[in-house]
Amino acid sequence: GNSVTQMEGPVTLSEEAFLTINCTYTATGYPSLFWYVQYPGEGLQLLLKATKADDKGSNKGFEATYRKETTSFHLEKGSVQVSDSAVYFCALIRGGSNYKLTFGKGTLLTVNP
Amino acid sequence: DSGVTQTPKHLITATGQRVTLRCSPRSGDLSVYWYQQSLDQGLQFLIQYYNGEERAKGNILERFSAQQFPDLHSELNLSSLELGDSALYFCASSAGDGYYEQYFGPGTRLTVT
Repeated sequence: GNSVTQMEGPVTLSEEAFLTINCTYTATGYPSLFWYVQYPGEGLQLLLKATKADDKGSNKGFEATYRKETTSFHLEKGSVQVSDSAVYFCALIRGGSNYKLTFGKGTLLTVNP
Repeated sequence: DSGVTQTPKHLITATGQRVTLRCSPRSGDLSVYWYQQSLDQGLQFLIQYYNGEERAKGNILERFSAQQFPDLHSELNLSSLELGDSALYFCASSAGDGYYEQYFGPGTRLTVT
């Protein structure tokens, strides 16, 4: 079946540091890939997406590139801020019988001033 | 604000009881998805409705049921509640039944005592 594996957290960085959160997936065919962010006490917000190989999703300084050869969709940001502290979820949709989101376990990011 | 609303925000109830969670999708969205978020299982897909019809089922217990009404709002019914049902329940909506972005509500936190 489909699955998503993302790096274990928590990740703690200082403000303005470079961020990478690794995400790899297992799925047949060509899934669509997503990063969602969950701020404390809130629901999930779509951060970015990519729908085909070599697509780059970007939003709010975050980027992720759909790499089919390595089945990866790593999240990066060049300079994190305290306000980026949240839980980040990598997810995929692989159609067929349904279009549910399959999520990774989430990575808690804490950015210190 | 994603445009998806969920009520109530918090629910505390006793084992053996029955509760109903309500979700209103974004204006114009036809699909509603229900997800459960717990510490041990992470984010799990429960069930999807599309334009009033059940479209897909995931890891949903037989004690749980859902429906989508003609005005497209959805309700998730949880009965014979157990301690292990304590979790965050999210509703998400999307424009259709396919590779569409899913927008999440703020969630209902259910505590079973």
